Amino acid sequence: KAGVTQTPRYLIKTRGQQVTLSCSPISGHRSVSWYQQTPGQGLQFLFEYFSETQRNKGNFPGRFSGRQFSNSRSEMNVSTLELGDSALYLCASSLNGGVTYEQYFGPGTRLTVT
Amino acid sequence: EDKVVQSPLSLVVHEGDTVTLNCSYEVTNFRSLLWYKQEKKAPTFLFMLTSSGIEKKSGRLSSILDKKELSSILNITATQTGDSAIYLCAVEAPQTGANNLFFGTGTRLTVIP
Repeated sequence: KAGVTQTPRYLIKTRGQQVTLSCSPISGHRSVSWYQQTPGQGLQFLFEYFSETQRNKGNFPGRFSGRQFSNSRSEMNVSTLELGDSALYLCASSLNGGVTYEQYFGPGTRLTVT
Repeated sequence: EDKVVQSPLSLVVHEGDTVTLNCSYEVTNFRSLLWYKQEKKAPTFLFMLTSSGIEKKSGRLSSILDKKELSSILNITATQTGDSAIYLCAVEAPQTGANNLFFGTGTRLTVIP
């Protein structure tokens, strides 16, 4: 069974631009969660999508948004990029959500904002 | 404010040593505590703990939860270079419509041959 895939793996953007990251969950998984990982803050929850609906949300500004498609693939969008948005963005999928040990993480997208 | 604190932040040991990693938490509506190992990019699941005093074991790794002390430890015996990674502790604390999983910043373990 193929794992969680994320594209692109690396991305360099400049301040003020916007970016879209993609996550394809494990086949059959309906929940996708997004996380931001930085050296200073560690791993922080962004949001979770289940069956095309945002079910949970972390404490991030409105510049961070996401969506999920009918095939469970998910995209995350960050508008008006700031230097502090440089981070590793991880997505994780699970069968029915609930953010437990059933989550499987993707390899991440490394975003650098200059 | 819900938080998870891990210690030490980093640790350097020699192969064969035994290490103990710590995780303490302050959350409302605690459900479970999870340990992950992160090498390079994607964290991989190690243990989920829900009950105090019951040790979970997998090979040279073991973990136990103390709900009274709001903490957990992860032990690794006879360490190997392949154990070098960041070990993440996360606490599941369901809250309606909001974040359910709180991560610590991790402990970076380096095992020297």
